[in-house]
Amino acid sequence: GENVEQHPSTLSVQEGDSAVIKCTYSDSASNYFPWYKQELGKRPQLIIDIRSNVGEKKDQRIAVTLNKTAKHFSLHITETQPEDSAVYFCAEDDYKLSFGAGTTVTVRA
Amino acid sequence: GAGVSQSPRYKVAKRGQDVALRCDPISGHVSLFWYQQALGQGPEFLTYFQNEAQLDKSGLPSDRFFAERPEGSVSTLKIQRTQQEDSAVYLCASSAQGSNQPQHFGDGTRLSIL
Repeated sequence: GENVEQHPSTLSVQEGDSAVIKCTYSDSASNYFPWYKQELGKRPQLIIDIRSNVGEKKDQRIAVTLNKTAKHFSLHITETQPEDSAVYFCAEDDYKLSFGAGTTVTVRA
Repeated sequence: GAGVSQSPRYKVAKRGQDVALRCDPISGHVSLFWYQQALGQGPEFLTYFQNEAQLDKSGLPSDRFFAERPEGSVSTLKIQRTQQEDSAVYLCASSAQGSNQPQHFGDGTRLSIL
């Protein structure tokens, strides 16, 4: 959506390396930011989310950071594996989701 | 229980035909959303229901698009007089009651207008 900018649009990493995707948003009132992973032809799947009262959240190899002052949030995937290859979307939740344009992540074996 | 279920998975229609897309949300989920996803893009909001009430339809592209959720469970998105630009994946999502609840998506209906 036009409220959320996402970079990069494509990302190719070597298996085992880290991947970082960055998003910025414009609505300072937003306080919930989910990340979705979408494999080709499949549903967007929620992988992690963060609320504005938290600066960082981690779940195994996935972490998300939030900087409310700068209106930035980022997804970090460590020790990437081939099955991490997919399109990743950040979103801003104002009861309805405004999505970024997506990042196509390719993990090279 | 089961996740969000959408049918049909694929729909091909000729330009000018009417189509109806169905969404079965997760049982007990109060909120239901429809999104449209064009090829290579992120989903775009269409409309939002809380129980049977349609609280926001600001994303519907034209008056050819109509959505309903008469009993507060199953929802139908109807597109009348379809046009080629309506070709997209239509995603349904549901969430539990309360603010900032995670939205869970169905597999979508891929609509192709010939």
